[in-house]
Amino acid sequence: DTAVSQTPKYLVTQMGNDKSIKCEQNLGHDTMYWYKQDSKKFLKIMFSYNNKELIINETVPNRFSPKSPDKAHLNLHINSLELGDSAVYFCASSPPSGTQYFGPGTRLTVL
Amino acid sequence: QQQVKQSPQSLIVQKGGISIINCAYENTAFDYFPWYQQFPGKGPALLIAIRPDVSEKKEGRFTISFNKSAKQFSLHIMDSQPGDSATYFCAASMVGNTPLVFGKGTRLSVIA
Repeated sequence: DTAVSQTPKYLVTQMGNDKSIKCEQNLGHDTMYWYKQDSKKFLKIMFSYNNKELIINETVPNRFSPKSPDKAHLNLHINSLELGDSAVYFCASSPPSGTQYFGPGTRLTVL
Repeated sequence: QQQVKQSPQSLIVQKGGISIINCAYENTAFDYFPWYQQFPGKGPALLIAIRPDVSEKKEGRFTISFNKSAKQFSLHIMDSQPGDSATYFCAASMVGNTPLVFGKGTRLSVIA
C-alpha cells in the first residue's frame, strides 16, 4: 500500500532528450509537489499543485512542465534535457494539516 | 539567501549518546517546523514536527526544542543507535499547504 509512488526509479538518458516522471498518491490529498535534490543533497521546491491547479512555480526553467490529470497524479515532463538536470526528483503530497509525504524518488542521470 | 540554516553538516556519535542538530530560520511567517529522516536511496520521511505555540515536543527518543524569540529549533536523539545513521533535514513552512524550505541536511553516523 504505497502512499506516494513514482516511476521510474532510475532514468538514464542523453542530453537533448525529452523524458517524463510519473507520480501517484493514494492518500486522498489535494496538494502535490515536486522537489529536486541535487548532488549535495539539497532539497528545493520546484512546483506545487492544489486540486489540479498550479499554485507555485519556483523559477524553474520552462523546459520543466508539470501536468496533473487528476488530484491523485502529478507528472513531470522535461524537454531538452541538460547535464545540470541530473538529480533526484521527489514527488510529495499533503493534507490541509501541512504534513508532507514523500515518494521514493527518481534518480535522473543525463549523459 | 538561505532561509533555514542547519548545523552541523555531519555528526559522529557513539552508540547510546545524544545526537543534537540545530536549525535557525529567518522568516517569522513560518509556523510549521518538521524534521525529516532520509536513508540512502529513499525519500525523506517525517520524523517529528512542531508548531511555534509549544517549546518542546517529544516522541520516543526524538525531541524537538523550539525557541521562538531566537528563531531556532533543534532535534535531540537520545540513546542514539546505529540504525539512526541517516541524513536529517530540518524544514519550515508557512500557514496552509505551502512548500517546505529545507536546511542543507546533517549526515549522522552512530558508531558502536
